[in-house]
Amino acid sequence: DAGVTQSPTHLIKTRGQQVTLRCSPISGHKSVSWYQQVLGQGPQFIFQYYEKEERGRGNFPDRFSARQFPNYSSELNVNALLLGDSALYLCASSWGQGKGEQYFGPGTRLTVT
Amino acid sequence: GQNIDQPTEMTATEGAIVQINCTYQTSGFNGLFWYQQHAGEAPTFLSYNVLDGLEEKGRFSSFLSRSKGYSYLLLKELQMKDSASYLCAVRDGILTGGGNKLTFGTGTQLKVEL
Repeated sequence: DAGVTQSPTHLIKTRGQQVTLRCSPISGHKSVSWYQQVLGQGPQFIFQYYEKEERGRGNFPDRFSARQFPNYSSELNVNALLLGDSALYLCASSWGQGKGEQYFGPGTRLTVT
Repeated sequence: GQNIDQPTEMTATEGAIVQINCTYQTSGFNGLFWYQQHAGEAPTFLSYNVLDGLEEKGRFSSFLSRSKGYSYLLLKELQMKDSASYLCAVRDGILTGGGNKLTFGTGTQLKVEL
């Protein structure tokens, strides 16, 4: 079975621009979570979606938004990019809400110049 | 909220055993996870404990004591490829608003030497 997939792999944007990152969970998984990881730190929780509803939100500004589609894939949008948004963006997939393992995708490396 | 502590760095010898500790203080708890992360790559799932005790998976074992807020990851028969960062993460309790939210420590950088 395919694991969690994310696109694009790498992205370079300019300050003020907008970006959309995409994630497809493992087949049969209904929950997707988004994390931001900067160098030298553990991943920081941004959003979690289960059955197409937002179930959790981390301490990130309103410039960050996300949604989950009927096929359980998800998009993360970031508006008005800042240099500090440069990071590895990770998507995690799990089958249930508050249950079972969570598996990460390969991540999207975002660089803001 | 959650506070998770783990050592910043550890060094061990190829073929040896190493134990990486993790302590946590939480307002809710619904499982503890260990991930391995090589430089520039995404975290890879290693283990998941929700009940007290030891979970064994090949060369890797993870232990949890919920009353002590303590876990460890045990790596046996160390190989050079085990050099990586090891992340401890706690999942919030559903009633404390988490669902599937993981809070991570900053990671333990393990260096395996000959």
